[in-house]
Amino acid sequence: TQLLEQSPQFLSIQEGENLTVYCNSSSVFSSLQWYRQEPGEGPVLLVTVVTGGEVKKLKRLTFQFGDARKDSSLHITAAQPGDTGLYLCAGSYNFNKFYFGSGTKLNVKP
Amino acid sequence: GAVVSQHPSWVICKSGTSVKIECRSLDFQATTMFWYRQFPKQSLMLMATSNEGSKATYEQGVEKDKFLINHASLTLSTLTVTSAHPEDSSFYICSAPEEAGLANTGELFFGEGSRLTVL
Repeated sequence: TQLLEQSPQFLSIQEGENLTVYCNSSSVFSSLQWYRQEPGEGPVLLVTVVTGGEVKKLKRLTFQFGDARKDSSLHITAAQPGDTGLYLCAGSYNFNKFYFGSGTKLNVKP
Repeated sequence: GAVVSQHPSWVICKSGTSVKIECRSLDFQATTMFWYRQFPKQSLMLMATSNEGSKATYEQGVEKDKFLINHASLTLSTLTVTSAHPEDSSFYICSAPEEAGLANTGELFFGEGSRLTVL
């Protein structure tokens, strides 16, 4: 059983479209992170959110932590082919050990 | 940013042999490192926490006698897959948090991963 469930599992869109990826859990986390992973490589950190309701923006990416710190979302505006990859959320109870979500594989077609 | 390096990047071995994977923090000290396993098209599953100077703590369902972890120094943790079988074939990734004194942001730095194929 996955501690963190992500939806959708797969997403294939055209360049320029917007999309939202969701990360949900029944657990309360002290912090939540989003990563992007390319095939055959380790994940790369995109953002860390620690406060309920917190919103962070990273260029065309907007991250939100739920008020109850149980869920999070990642919104990408005007997706580009370079955004293609596996997006992973990861939650921690102690700012140290992280458990990863089920993953969302995004494909942005030119 | 901090750098974590894994070796080897890929390894092929025969069933029944043991394989050791190294994880090094290159420019910082890590009293804690984490080992993950990732099957194709799946997410990362936390296997264990490697603790410098003490025993590793394993997640539920992970066999500690199968996956031996040794945190030999503040910059090195090793994962040994003992008596490997084809079902152990996977992508193994280590990570370490950069513990910048009181300014620990919880950011994990990941190694490049090690792909194990057991024939």
